[in-house]
Amino acid sequence: NAGVTQTPKFQVLKTGQSMTLQCAQDMNHEYMSWYRQDPGMGLRLIHYSVGAGITDQGEVPNGYNVSRSTTEDFPLRLLSAAPSQTSVYFCASSYGLSGGGYTFGSGTRLTVV
Amino acid sequence: TQLLEQSPQFLSIQEGENLTVYCNSSSVFSSLQWYRQEPGEGPVLLVTVVTGGEVKKLKRLTFQFGDARKDSSLHITAAQPGDTGLYLCAGPGNQFYFGTGTSLTVIP
Repeated sequence: NAGVTQTPKFQVLKTGQSMTLQCAQDMNHEYMSWYRQDPGMGLRLIHYSVGAGITDQGEVPNGYNVSRSTTEDFPLRLLSAAPSQTSVYFCASSYGLSGGGYTFGSGTRLTVV
Repeated sequence: TQLLEQSPQFLSIQEGENLTVYCNSSSVFSSLQWYRQEPGEGPVLLVTVVTGGEVKKLKRLTFQFGDARKDSSLHITAAQPGDTGLYLCAGPGNQFYFGTGTSLTVIP
């Protein structure tokens, strides 16, 4: 099925550990982004990419790195996990910044203890 | 800075009632989108409005884009339990911004 695939769906980390959240899309979308969703805070943009090789920071980028080596993949790296990074993470893609609407993955629920 | 403010934040109504959710901004948007998110899932696009004053209908849902393209509303007629979820408005700027969300519960 075409869409956005996120892995893993659930993850528990200890403070200080690092990990990579995977995101892949098969719709040839140029625009990809990572959001975190916390109760009462809505969706907050972490990083985004307008195409392969191009990334930029969103509203809450600290503690996260991204890269975009291919059109399909946009992994999110947590460098040294902190309890404040406990959240639900969503990857999304679109044809462009304002074109066609976003397609979201099903999310990764991350708990940092 | 939250560019898109939604109201109300929470809404609990009985099945069959009507409701309206609002999305407001001080900025002009070239388009606005509405999404619905169910528990444990990512948001799903419902509609995109692009022209000031535009009205779009999706079954019992009516979406309107303000004349000045700074606000939008979502009206649900005869709400059903299946309408329960988090409703988000969103629009493009330098980045893609999401509203604060309206959590709707429809009680059977």
